[in-house]
Amino acid sequence: SAVISQKPSRDICQRGTSLTIQCQVDSQVTMMFWYRQQPGQSLTLIATANQGSEATYESGFVIDKFPISRPNLTFSTLTVSNMSPEDSSIYLCSVQKLYSGNTIYFGEGSWLTVV
Amino acid sequence: DAKTTQPPSMDCAEGRAANLPCNHSTISGNEYVYWYRQIHSQGPQYIIHGLKNNETNEMASLIITEDRKSSTLILPHATLRDTAVYYCIVRGVLIQGAQKLVFGQGTRLTINP
Repeated sequence: SAVISQKPSRDICQRGTSLTIQCQVDSQVTMMFWYRQQPGQSLTLIATANQGSEATYESGFVIDKFPISRPNLTFSTLTVSNMSPEDSSIYLCSVQKLYSGNTIYFGEGSWLTVV
Repeated sequence: DAKTTQPPSMDCAEGRAANLPCNHSTISGNEYVYWYRQIHSQGPQYIIHGLKNNETNEMASLIITEDRKSSTLILPHATLRDTAVYYCIVRGVLIQGAQKLVFGQGTRLTINP
């Protein structure tokens, strides 16, 4: 398995502001992904965080709204920009660990409420 | 889009085996079947995965039909803590890295005392 720490775990944000979520893994990973889970819904992939290059975004998600960084093999950030109440969701970091047999593991998520 | 079909909800009595079905009729030869579960307020937890052989670990067993078009996750002795949403996911594995997980709606399993 992998120990994945996300910060903040929970936050209440004012509309129009931006928040950066951090994801730290206990060891090197090959792939890092960011998901969103809106209330009562399943998980939706936002993007794949690529080390040293721009993230790969899924349809419906853009870099201006969800800028992502991945400066090294164990750390990534997701920023939710210019938030609106529709951005109230759980944001989840997931990783594929080196030599883990391609299994993907998830963090506990960051619960954001936009008011 | 998700490539699997699962019943939206199931109930099971505590102590009994919980059998969760999944249809994946369009699965390709190099695609694995993965199962995750999400207990309320937590991140998804990996359970098990398989290609074509049946698999068993400390959490569950995975039975894949011979034609690979469907599978069943078995929790042998369900407890109240197994109440969760269970996701069946078909995922290919590339030589140069792993493909992303695409989640469907899953099955909401409720274990009753």
